[in-house]
Amino acid sequence: ETGVTQTPRHLVMGMTNKKSLKCEQHLGHNAMYWYKQSAKKPLELMFVYNFKEQTENNSVPSRFSPECPNSSHLFLHLHTLQPEDSALYLCASSYLGQGTNAFFGQGTRLTVV
Amino acid sequence: AQSVTQPDIHITVSEGASLELRCNYSYGATPYLFWYVQSPGQGLQLLLKYFSGDTLVQGIKGFEAEFKRSQSSFNLRKPSVHWSDAAEYFCAVGHSNTGNQFYFGTGTSLTVIP
Repeated sequence: ETGVTQTPRHLVMGMTNKKSLKCEQHLGHNAMYWYKQSAKKPLELMFVYNFKEQTENNSVPSRFSPECPNSSHLFLHLHTLQPEDSALYLCASSYLGQGTNAFFGQGTRLTVV
Repeated sequence: AQSVTQPDIHITVSEGASLELRCNYSYGATPYLFWYVQSPGQGLQLLLKYFSGDTLVQGIKGFEAEFKRSQSSFNLRKPSVHWSDAAEYFCAVGHSNTGNQFYFGTGTSLTVIP
């Protein structure tokens, strides 16, 4: 248990569906992240939020829409996804500042059919 | 731009044997370096990290890593591998600009045989 909780753990959705991934941390961290993990690829940093403000969007398609209502919660809204979006989506959190490490949730295994 | 290279995609070792996983990084300033482990279906767990000071870093589960600036390397080692060490291992480099950003290698999959 890392203190970062992701729900759901598994999600199967059609290409026309709308769904949301949820992440919650109770570590008092002030930065939160979404990563995409695909087979044989490095973890891809998708979004970064510092103090609820988005500071990074690594050219992520608009069919992925993040939301950070407060420093403890992070959502990833999904709509009209493609089969190649199937992956493990990892949420992480950390303190801001040099040298701190990220704490990861267990991930949501997403399958787009 | 920062990047991390893990040249070994997959490694197989016998239980009780020593282990070394390689990691090379590219970063313009003093790097902050990390090793994470991921078991199947799980998130990433921090094994150890290097910020400054002693270049030999001790971590959890008997792992250690050595930072070698001249070689831009941060290799992970364990003197005697246990079957429970079978997992995916990720090296990462981090820095702080407007916030923290962490960049990961492609990972090394470790198989432990009896």
